[in-house]
Amino acid sequence: SAVISQKPSRDICQRGTSLTIQCQVDSQVTMMFWYRQQPGQSLTLIATANQGSEATYESGFVIDKFPISRPNLTFSTLTVSNMSPEDSSIYLCSAVRGMGDTEAFFGQGTRLTVV
Amino acid sequence: AQSVTQPDIHITVSEGASLELRCNYSYGATPYLFWYVQSPGQGLQLLLKYFSGDTLVQGIKGFEAEFKRSQSSFNLRKPSVHWSDAAEYFCAVGGGGGSYIPTFGRGTSLIVHP
Repeated sequence: SAVISQKPSRDICQRGTSLTIQCQVDSQVTMMFWYRQQPGQSLTLIATANQGSEATYESGFVIDKFPISRPNLTFSTLTVSNMSPEDSSIYLCSAVRGMGDTEAFFGQGTRLTVV
Repeated sequence: AQSVTQPDIHITVSEGASLELRCNYSYGATPYLFWYVQSPGQGLQLLLKYFSGDTLVQGIKGFEAEFKRSQSSFNLRKPSVHWSDAAEYFCAVGGGGGSYIPTFGRGTSLIVHP
């Protein structure tokens, strides 16, 4: 399995500001994703991070609010922009190692509180 | 579209008792099925997965799950629960058509009484 490190692990931010979350995988992976887990809820896919091109966003999520980068096969960032209290959630980075693998691995998550 | 239903929001068991967490899925083809566990403040850890073959799959930490196509179910079981098993459990379905992106159920919170 791949080891995924996320940072920060938690943060408290002022509304109107932005936070960038970093995700580092210990080996090259074919696919990387970002999920949001709102309090007491399940995981909702935000987007697929594509290397060298724009991320693919799910319905209800837009690039202006959640810009994503993936400069190489082991690293991705998610920015939560112009934050409001409704953005308070756990944000999880996930990856699928290779086309022969079909299970997703997860980082430990970033717990974001917006005040 | 694929979907997952976990009908139980909370399950409470006594330590040492057996456990079964329910999961029903909707998927147009042979699904890939997963169970993940999330301990408080942690990310998700894969417990087990089913792709094909034997419908009873063994996972880590003494968990097992049985795929029943006729019932569209993939229930998670453990014969004897330990206090450290208290966590959130997520069933997920994915795969097929080249998509490896899992769709998650809402989760079941397991509470273990001493």
